[in-house]
Amino acid sequence: SQQGEEDPQALSIQEGENATMNCSYKTSINNLQWYRQNSGRGLVHLILIRSNEREKHSGRLRVTLDTSKKSSSLLITASRAADTASYFCATANTGNQFYFGTGTSLTVIP
Amino acid sequence: KAGVTQTPRYLIKTRGQQVTLSCSPISGHRSVSWYQQTPGQGLQFLFEYFSETQRNKGNFPGRFSGRQFSNSRSEMNVSTLELGDSALYLCASSAGTDTFQETQYFGPGTRLLVL
Repeated sequence: SQQGEEDPQALSIQEGENATMNCSYKTSINNLQWYRQNSGRGLVHLILIRSNEREKHSGRLRVTLDTSKKSSSLLITASRAADTASYFCATANTGNQFYFGTGTSLTVIP
Repeated sequence: KAGVTQTPRYLIKTRGQQVTLSCSPISGHRSVSWYQQTPGQGLQFLFEYFSETQRNKGNFPGRFSGRQFSNSRSEMNVSTLELGDSALYLCASSAGTDTFQETQYFGPGTRLLVL
């Protein structure tokens, strides 16, 4: 990926457990965004965190950003079967370039 | 409000042909961006249009082009299709003040198969 990698590539958990996925990127950014994609469909925007923010919450989602390590994490608490999807981070850098990560495939087992 | 719509949803073409994909943004949105998604390269930004002008461009060859109309609808054209152009093409719209600093809303995509 031009901008970054996500890890793990695939994650399988039981319903009710928490899911954590990580995103690393390479250059300075203005913001980092997380998206969800259900199989073969369009992306749904989950959350945007700006470079001057360290943590953000939205419902069962918690995102952290560490600009010194050029990394971010997405935590989904109390996962549900409906959370099964691929999750992508995307970064907007100072040159107004926009890059997606490689994605994490999450499977939540009922 | 209706979401972002893309037509057609599926398309089969042969090498050397050209193809035009269409995207209708959310009403009131002035920015339309296009993305290509393939298993090998992942999600890649193609270009962004705002008020009928290309404002940002990714790293794709000139065979990939687009345009935006006065009603903000956008079309993407790929000429001289190659097998590697087989992909899911996604369109996204946003208010457009600063596209990559705000929420983008994605359409369902057009799946193109090149034979």
